[in-house]
Amino acid sequence: NAGVTQTPKFRILKIGQSMTLQCAQDMNHNYMYWYRQDPGMGLKLIYYSVGAGITDKGEVPNGYNVSRSTTEDFPLRLELAAPSQTSVYFCASSYFTGTGYSYEQYFGPGTRLTVT
Amino acid sequence: TQLLEQSPQFLSIQEGENLTVYCNSSSVFSSLQWYRQEPGEGPVLLVTVVTGGEVKKLKRLTFQFGDARKDSSLHITAAQPGDTGLYLCAGRTSGTYKYIFGTGTRLKVLA
Repeated sequence: NAGVTQTPKFRILKIGQSMTLQCAQDMNHNYMYWYRQDPGMGLKLIYYSVGAGITDKGEVPNGYNVSRSTTEDFPLRLELAAPSQTSVYFCASSYFTGTGYSYEQYFGPGTRLTVT
Repeated sequence: TQLLEQSPQFLSIQEGENLTVYCNSSSVFSSLQWYRQEPGEGPVLLVTVVTGGEVKKLKRLTFQFGDARKDSSLHITAAQPGDTGLYLCAGRTSGTYKYIFGTGTRLKVLA
């Protein structure tokens, strides 16, 4: 049981390039999330998904796209990378606990992206 | 826009001291979570609180959810160097599947 995996761990992009950050989970969780974390700060939600084929915007979706064709995978696409997208990106998955209607989130190790 | 403000932003204390971290909002939350994050890693869930006034204990850590479910606190007794890290609160409002994260409290415990 690998939990939540993310690739790559590190990436340097030039301004205007595109890339896809991969995220996969093997816990059969319905809910998946993408966050970004700027240095010394909390996490900002980019996009989330409540199941295969269903995605929705978070707090900071501009410049990003997602898709969810399977329960396991939730890739994040960056089009026309900008320096403002330099950050650490975390993918998370969660399940509905049934207790107090809460969702226990499990995070991947993160992808550190630099755009220059 | 929902905001979760954490205080203090930074905290440096000696081993053995007690401390409290606060998480405040003007929004009412259905559930609130606390995470700890170590450098180079993703956040790890410590606790979830769901009922106003609820208190949960995890060894030397005590978590409280405010009566109005707008705020929460994390109290650490006799802090140890292993408690060092970034502490994050995250709240979920009713009818949503997403969590809003707080601004974070960076704790350093000196031996």
